[in-house]
Amino acid sequence: DVKVTQSSRYLVKRTGEKVFLECVQDMDHENMFWYRQDPGLGLRLIYFSYDVKMKEKGDIPEGYSVSREKKERFSLILESASTNQTSMYLCASSLGAVTGANVLTFGAGSRLTVL
Amino acid sequence: QKEVEQNSGPLSVPEGAIASLNCTYSDRVSQSFFWYRQYSGKSPELIMSIYSNGDKEDGRFTAQLNKASQYVSLLIRDSQPSDSATYLCAVNRGKLIFGQGTELSVKP
Repeated sequence: DVKVTQSSRYLVKRTGEKVFLECVQDMDHENMFWYRQDPGLGLRLIYFSYDVKMKEKGDIPEGYSVSREKKERFSLILESASTNQTSMYLCASSLGAVTGANVLTFGAGSRLTVL
Repeated sequence: QKEVEQNSGPLSVPEGAIASLNCTYSDRVSQSFFWYRQYSGKSPELIMSIYSNGDKEDGRFTAQLNKASQYVSLLIRDSQPSDSATYLCAVNRGKLIFGQGTELSVKP
């Protein structure tokens, strides 16, 4: 089974702090994604990556950055956390051409609260 | 207009009934469509994918796609309380775009 592991299940941070959310997958998937999930809004794509050292903006990249130095690891960075970034963050990975069948495997999620 | 739209529900059906979940999408060039199920407090998991017009059946689940009308639906036959979850429709546009999800409640 593909495992997508997110380093923290629950985090509480203060406004203005720099926050790192880490995600590791163990099945050599090319594609990795960061979504946030909010009630009534569903999953919204923040950033994604098709390969090491490459990144693409999703639908809501403002206030976030990402890093993919190794194939298995995709980090989401909040440079200066704000209260409107309080959310559930879901990492996902997938194998194969993005334009083809795109079966995502999700991590367990990281619930971030910014005070 | 949202790219992918679903009724947020909640949709409540009695045990044994057919649950019908609907999704519309705005981009005609979309080619592949997915239904994910998300139990409360858990992450989404894929239950169905569909690429061609018509129906695709897998056990109690049937996905239906109508590209001309730009909708995709999920039917759950013989609904069970264990089917109670949020169902997320997703459309592949080089990246997966999700709807907001429909909460389904199956009452014993």
